[in-house]
Amino acid sequence: AQKVTQAQTEISVVEKEDVTLDCVYETRDTTYYLFWYKQPPSGELVFLIRRNSFDEQNEISGRYSWNFQKSTSSFNFTITASQVVDSAVYFCALSDGNAGKSTFGDGTTLTVKP
Amino acid sequence: SQTIHQWPATLVQPVGSPLSLECTVEGTSNPNLYWYRQAAGRGLQLLFYSVGIGQISSEVPQNLSASRPQDRQFILSSKKLLLSDSGFYLCAFNRDRPTNEQFFGPGTRLTVL
Repeated sequence: AQKVTQAQTEISVVEKEDVTLDCVYETRDTTYYLFWYKQPPSGELVFLIRRNSFDEQNEISGRYSWNFQKSTSSFNFTITASQVVDSAVYFCALSDGNAGKSTFGDGTTLTVKP
Repeated sequence: SQTIHQWPATLVQPVGSPLSLECTVEGTSNPNLYWYRQAAGRGLQLLFYSVGIGQISSEVPQNLSASRPQDRQFILSSKKLLLSDSGFYLCAFNRDRPTNEQFFGPGTRLTVL
């Protein structure tokens, strides 16, 4: 069975601080896919990034960066120079590619204060 | 462009009443469709998914059922709501391939009293 753990329930930072959201996953599959989604107060989940299990390259997109490490089964998400608009619930998810079913973590609520 | 719609946005229903939530997708054909429920302060729990018309897979035993009468229509139903059915219901679809990310609708917030 697949499992995603986001140990940080809530994080609060002051604007311009860097913040890292942790994600640890469990799977017996050799091929799998990892995702991060953002859920703003409006409730609709927004896709941020996908990573395949065979691609461990880290990725940077503007202020966002992702660190994928198979050795530790982690897929962490860092926001650099956080902004108030980054306040949201962030979800990490894992899919085995079977009909696209994903297992979600419980989410991390990020609050960025001005 | 591909879009996904859900309605209603909010719903307050008494215990024991029926439920019907509708989800439709535009701009794509033969998508995989999903129903999730999000309890307050929790992650998303996959309820049902469908890979084609009339094909429904249930992930957890519960008071709910799903149907896919048309390629881009996914319906979540209940004959008699329970208090525990309260939550935020999200419909989603895969674009292009099942390994791709999911795109979510705006959700329905259901309160059962």
